[in-house]
Amino acid sequence: DAKTTQPPSMDCAEGRAANLPCNHSTISGNEYVYWYRQIHSQGPQYIIHGLKNNETNEMASLIITEDRKSSTLILPHATLRDTAVYYCIVRVGGNQFYFGTGTSLTVIP
Amino acid sequence: DSGVTQTPKHLITATGQRVTLRCSPRSGDLSVYWYQQSLDQGLQFLIQYYNGEERAKGNILERFSAQQFPDLHSELNLSSLELGDSALYFCASSPRDSLRMGGELFFGEGSRLTVL
Repeated sequence: DAKTTQPPSMDCAEGRAANLPCNHSTISGNEYVYWYRQIHSQGPQYIIHGLKNNETNEMASLIITEDRKSSTLILPHATLRDTAVYYCIVRVGGNQFYFGTGTSLTVIP
Repeated sequence: DSGVTQTPKHLITATGQRVTLRCSPRSGDLSVYWYQQSLDQGLQFLIQYYNGEERAKGNILERFSAQQFPDLHSELNLSSLELGDSALYFCASSPRDSLRMGGELFFGEGSRLTVL
């Protein structure tokens, strides 16, 4: 089962890019990398996912290394509303996501 | 707004009681997932239903049960409640029965259960 490792916390200045790293060295070839975030105690919110190629959407960019053992979520211009816990997830068996402990991102004014 | 609706938002009850949490998935989504989030355990997968049938089971206690009805809404029943059952309970929905091909989950805002 592929697991992920993330730093427990990070700070980012408002307006700057926030780069959140994730290590998933045991990922299998057909497993996707997902990113979700949870603002305070709200329901987790889907951000982006990818398999091999880099991905970009209106919220963020996902950079996956060529060996797929790590990835980085990039929030290009962080705002105060981006303060949240960010989860990097690789599917773990069956249909369940293993959320882990995530990275608590604080955007500083 | 994810399109997933959960009720009630808050619930306070006593030990030994039984409660039912309700979830309406996004329009068109056939899968419903239940997750529990307590302070010391993080987000834990409980169970998944797809089009009325149980599809995957996680760390769900025997005191807990769930079902998905023909109109696709789902209910999570928690019985013989204990103090440790106090948590946020999230429902999520997805259009597919499997997350293997890159499916994402859309979460509701949760039901906060407090057992006194």
